[in-house]
This record gives sequence, structure tokens and C-alpha cells, in this order.
Amino acid sequence: DQQVKQNSPSLSVQEGRISILNCDYTNSMFDYFLWYKKYPAEGPTFLISISSIKDKNEDGRFTVFLNKSAKHLSLHIVPSQPGDSAVYFCAASAEGAGSYQLTFGKGTKLSVIP
Amino acid sequence: EAGVVQSPRYKIIEKKQPVAFWCNPISGHNTLYWYLQNLGQGPELLIRYENEEAVDDSQLPKDRFSAERLKGVDSTLKIQPAELGDSAVYLCASSFLRGRQFFGPGTRLTVL
Repeated sequence: DQQVKQNSPSLSVQEGRISILNCDYTNSMFDYFLWYKKYPAEGPTFLISISSIKDKNEDGRFTVFLNKSAKHLSLHIVPSQPGDSAVYFCAASAEGAGSYQLTFGKGTKLSVIP
Repeated sequence: EAGVVQSPRYKIIEKKQPVAFWCNPISGHNTLYWYLQNLGQGPELLIRYENEEAVDDSQLPKDRFSAERLKGVDSTLKIQPAELGDSAVYLCASSFLRGRQFFGPGTRLTVL
């Protein structure tokens, strides 16, 4: 049973527009959420995180929104750039584990078209 | 600062052969993780070490997989014998205590 779901395997966006990647979770004990970015033949790299005590966290062009009642989070990239083309993984952990015990989604492949 | 180093980057073997993967974590990182990533899936934890101790190996298929982390630094993950279904990317990650995980580039295993 997938506890972290990324229902869109792929997404294409024009350069300069907004990219919105979605993630749903089923485990109500999750209290920390992360987004990782992965280029081909490289390992995932940390992008941004959010604790369940917040509903928004922003870092430059990247913003993560958390809707706890809906068990949903989203990553917004504004403006999108061709270098953002990668696979994005949503991950979550529970009960104060922070980055320690992560459950990953299947990933969404973002293609930013010049 | 050097990142997590893994070798080999690619490995092709025939089924029933043994194979080993090596990981060198970031200097000073005492926590080391091995993940399995199947095609189209996210990483799944196989084993987690705190220093030399394996603190979570519940997802490691112990009949054919083994791991060790001697001296609490480098780690080796072994499969013996390999099966067709073991074809995947094996990722190593490290962190300082329970902090942010940093991933290596992975080893892509193909079992023929």
C-alpha cells in the first residue's frame, strides 16, 4: 500500500510558466515532508522541506504548500527553467523522525520546454 | 567537500552470480543508508546503519542480501546469488546523526 502517492508520472511545462507537482499521503502520522530532485545517472538531491506545523515554505523559485486536512502537498516552481527538468520525489516521515525514516513516492518527471 | 561515492556505477552479471557494491559516505556522517530503486519507483530502504550497527534491516532480504559497515565508515552491500528481479539501482546515502540525507549516484545492476 503506497503511503505517499504521486499520481502524475510526468508533467510538461513551458519555460517561464509555473510547474505544480502534487503529492498525496495516507499516513496521518506523517509530520515532515521533503521534495528531492533527481537528474539521470545521479542520486536524488534535497530541494525543500516542510514541517506539519507550517502550511507553506518558500525557497527562491520553489514553494511547498501543505494541506493537512486533505493530506496533500504540492511543489510550485516559478518561473520554470529548462534546468528544472528532472524527476521529483515527494518523501515523508513520521513521529518526529525528520529526515531519518523516509517514505518516498514514485516520482513525477518534469519536462520544461524552452 | 566530496559527496557520497559509490562503485561500481554500472554492473552487468548473469543470474546466480554474486555481486557487491561499495559506498563511501561523506566524511563525518555516522548514519549510512542503502536503498533499492526499481524502475519507475521511489527509493526503498534496505538497511540503515548508525556507526557500525545495523539499526534497521527489516526490509533486507536476508536469504540473499548481506551488508557490512566495518569501522563505521565504508559499507558493502552484497547479493548472492543474484536473481533477474534484482535488476535495479542501488543507492547509498549518508547523514550526520538523523539529519538530512545525501545520496550517492547509485549503482545500476543488470542481471541477465
